[in-house]
Amino acid sequence: GQNIDQPTEMTATEGAIVQINCTYQTSGFNGLFWYQQHAGEAPTFLSYNVLDGLEEKGRFSSFLSRSKGYSYLLLKELQMKDSASYLCAVLDSNYQLIWGAGTKLIIKP
Amino acid sequence: DAMVIQNPRYQVTQFGKPVTLSCSQTLNHNVMYWYQQKSSQAPKLLFHYYDKDFNNEADTPDNFQSRRPNTSFCFLDIRSPGLGDAAMYLCATSSLRGEVAKNIQYFGAGTRLSVL
Repeated sequence: GQNIDQPTEMTATEGAIVQINCTYQTSGFNGLFWYQQHAGEAPTFLSYNVLDGLEEKGRFSSFLSRSKGYSYLLLKELQMKDSASYLCAVLDSNYQLIWGAGTKLIIKP
Repeated sequence: DAMVIQNPRYQVTQFGKPVTLSCSQTLNHNVMYWYQQKSSQAPKLLFHYYDKDFNNEADTPDNFQSRRPNTSFCFLDIRSPGLGDAAMYLCATSSLRGEVAKNIQYFGAGTRLSVL
């Protein structure tokens, strides 16, 4: 079966750095996506990785290791508005997105 | 601004009373998706259209149906809602299947369905 694992919940402090991990086992791999979802709202696209390595976009970076079936999302200089769920999703061999359940990130002052 | 619009944002229906949710897009994307999402769970794909080519997920209940009359609009019909169908329903679009960047999905704000 296809499976994506993320921690259910994490807590971090405003101004700090947090790393949200994602491991996956899927039928093929065409890319990995990260989405942010605030409570009661729709997911919004953050970043994607196709090749191994780090992709940086402002305060957010995403890393991929295809051989390990592993990715992380790194958030720097945390702000209160970053409190949200972060969903990892893998594009499988059929170009279908397989979604993780998301990691709820709680930011404390 | 180009966008994905869902109506209504909140829908209350009675047990067994049919309900239709709508989605429109101005992105001119070929692919449209309907997801069901329950609290703290991953979005669950119900259907997707590649142009007019309809794809039904194997485990989508028969109670759920969809229509895409043209490129811009897509509807989700729930024929006889049960209490277990209370959820957020998300519509999304992507421009193409194949190139990874074109598989980025853009979501509407969602419709939260309550079943009484």
